Amino acid sequence: AQSVTQLDSQVPVFEEAPVELRCNYSSSVSVYLFWYVQYPNQGLQLLLKYLSGSTLVKGINGFEAEFNKSQTSFHLRKPSVHISDTAEYFCAVSPPGADKLIFGTGTRLQVFP
Amino acid sequence: NAGVMQNPRHLVRRRGQEARLRCSPMKGHSHVYWYRQLPEEGLKFMVYLQKENIIDESGMPKERFSAEFPKEGPSILRIQQVVRGDSAAYFCASSHARTNNEQFFGPGTRLTVL
Repeated sequence: AQSVTQLDSQVPVFEEAPVELRCNYSSSVSVYLFWYVQYPNQGLQLLLKYLSGSTLVKGINGFEAEFNKSQTSFHLRKPSVHISDTAEYFCAVSPPGADKLIFGTGTRLQVFP
Repeated sequence: NAGVMQNPRHLVRRRGQEARLRCSPMKGHSHVYWYRQLPEEGLKFMVYLQKENIIDESGMPKERFSAEFPKEGPSILRIQQVVRGDSAAYFCASSHARTNNEQFFGPGTRLTVL
């Protein structure tokens, strides 16, 4: 079975500061990795995904994430955040061949002016 | 090109009533997934359907919950005899093909059981 841990339930940060949202996963098999963003009262939007290849993945809105197999992590980063990045961020995994996504509990990013 | 549509966006039911949640996938998508988000928790997979078939219902509660995706029309998630613990946001996602294709999410239906 797979599981996802997002250790930080909330991350407050000032505008234009860098941010890292942590994600660790547990799995006995290789998995695909995803980050989704959820704005208030909206559905989830895919930020980026790792299926294979380069361990540094670039996504939309200036976000990137790095897959670290030895540490079973897939942390999300942005070098300079904007007020509009305030949202809930979810890390998810999916074993190859499986159809469902397994989500972490989410990290609320709050960007202050 | 419209995205995934869900209705209603908000639904209020009294204990014991039935709740019907609808999901229209993106145009050209034939795979539908339902997830439930309880307060302060992440999304939990409930069921995966293709047209007229349930492929994986491993996340569905054993009683009162059912899902369908008919040949014509939207996918329906039905909850019979709702209880307060059913209060949650229910999200539908669709994909063009199965197996790790990107899932596109709808805005969700927020169910409140009084």
